[in-house]
Amino acid sequence: GDSVTQMEGPVTLSEEAFLTINCTYTATGYPSLFWYVQYPGEGLQLLLKATKADDKGSNKGFEATYRKETTSFHLEKGSVQVSDSAVYFCALSDRYGGSQGNLIFGKGTKLSVKP
Amino acid sequence: EPEVTQTPSHQVTQMGQEVILRCVPISNHLYFYWYRQILGQKVEFLVSFYNNEISEKSEIFDDQFSVERPDGSNFTLKIRSTKLEDSAMYFCASSESRLAGANEQFFGPGTRLTVL
Repeated sequence: GDSVTQMEGPVTLSEEAFLTINCTYTATGYPSLFWYVQYPGEGLQLLLKATKADDKGSNKGFEATYRKETTSFHLEKGSVQVSDSAVYFCALSDRYGGSQGNLIFGKGTKLSVKP
Repeated sequence: EPEVTQTPSHQVTQMGQEVILRCVPISNHLYFYWYRQILGQKVEFLVSFYNNEISEKSEIFDDQFSVERPDGSNFTLKIRSTKLEDSAMYFCASSESRLAGANEQFFGPGTRLTVL
């Protein structure tokens, strides 16, 4: 069935460092891909999304490119801030595949950014 | 900005007791979902709900679980007889549409359920 695998955390970086959080997926259909972020004490918020191969999603300085050839959707940011400290979830929605439009999540990666 | 709300934020219950987790989705949304996350594990889909009936449910969503939209605003998840393994964070979500690509689901902050 459909699945998402993302890198284990926690990830600790200094402010202004470069961030990469790896995410790969398995899907039977044509999934849309998402990154959600959860700040402490809050719900999951959509950070960015991409709906087809080679699309790049971007928001708040974060980017991720939908790579069908490597089945990946890695999250990157050029210069992280302390306020980016959160848990990041990679997810897919595969309307014509196993999940039928519901979200399938990875385990989440906790990011801590130190001043 | 509209948001999904959930109550309570934390629920502690004894094994075998019934619990009801409450959610208020965004008012113009038509699709509603429950997910859960056991500590240290993935966020897992439980059930989706549309037009006053269940659209889909996962294997986790057995006869001990039920969902209801008792009025025009609330969406509830009931666990009839809780087990220790039901301890998890439960997230409610809602969306305008289920179309892939337009399927932005808005999540609540979650209810942490602890079964003793």
